[in-house]
Amino acid sequence: GAGVSQSPRYKVAKRGQDVALRCDPISGHVSLFWYQQALGQGPEFLTYFQNEAQLDKSGLPSDRFFAERPEGSVSTLKIQRTQQEDSAVYLCASSPQGGGQPQHFGDGTRLSIL
Amino acid sequence: QKEVEQNSGPLSVPEGAIASLNCTYSDRVSQSFFWYRQYSGKSPELIMSIYSNGDKEDGRFTAQLNKASQYVSLLIRDSQPSDSATYLCAVTPPTSYGKLTFGQGTILTVHP
Repeated sequence: GAGVSQSPRYKVAKRGQDVALRCDPISGHVSLFWYQQALGQGPEFLTYFQNEAQLDKSGLPSDRFFAERPEGSVSTLKIQRTQQEDSAVYLCASSPQGGGQPQHFGDGTRLSIL
Repeated sequence: QKEVEQNSGPLSVPEGAIASLNCTYSDRVSQSFFWYRQYSGKSPELIMSIYSNGDKEDGRFTAQLNKASQYVSLLIRDSQPSDSATYLCAVTPPTSYGKLTFGQGTILTVHP
C-alpha cells in the first residue's frame, strides 16, 4: 500500500507570504503527527491529531502556525506571514493508533523562505 | 540538558566492522524507544523499536535498552557502505499518543 504522501516536495516563498503544506497519511491510520526538522538536527514535534481532533499543539512555534485535519484523513499545515526562521523540512508521520506504535514518515516538504 | 542526546559524530567505520551508536534520555519514565535511519534528503525510516530492558536483534541490527541507566544503543554488525546515513534516536514520553522526541542524530559513514 501507499505510504505517507506529502506535497509539495519543495516550496519557495517570499517572507510574509502564506504557505500550505499537505499530508496524506496511510489509509486507516488514526494518529497523525507534524514535525519540523532544521538542517543538521533531529525532527521536533509540532502537533498531533487523533482522527480529526487536534489533541496537542504544544510544539507549534507561534500563532502563525495552524494545522487541521477536518475529515480525519488528509492534514494541512498552514504558516501565515512566513519568516526566514520558518525555513526547514516539515515532516508528517502517521501510525495506526499512536500510544508508542511506530510512526511512518513521509518524505517531507522542504520550505525555503527568501 | 537535552531530553535525548546522541554521541557526537560523525562516526566512520570500515566495511565489515561493528558500528556502535549511543543515546541517553533524561525522562526516566519514557516508555518506547526507536532508532530511525535517514538518508540525505529522505524521510526517517524506522529500523528498530524496543520497549523493555535488554537486547533486541533484527538481522544485522541489535538494539540495547537499559532503563536504569537511561541508555539505549544500536549496534550494526558487518557494516556496509549502504548503512551510511544519519541515525536518529527517538523516545516517547509517558503520554497516551506517543509523540516522538528525537536526538540530534549521528552521521555514520562506512568506508570500503
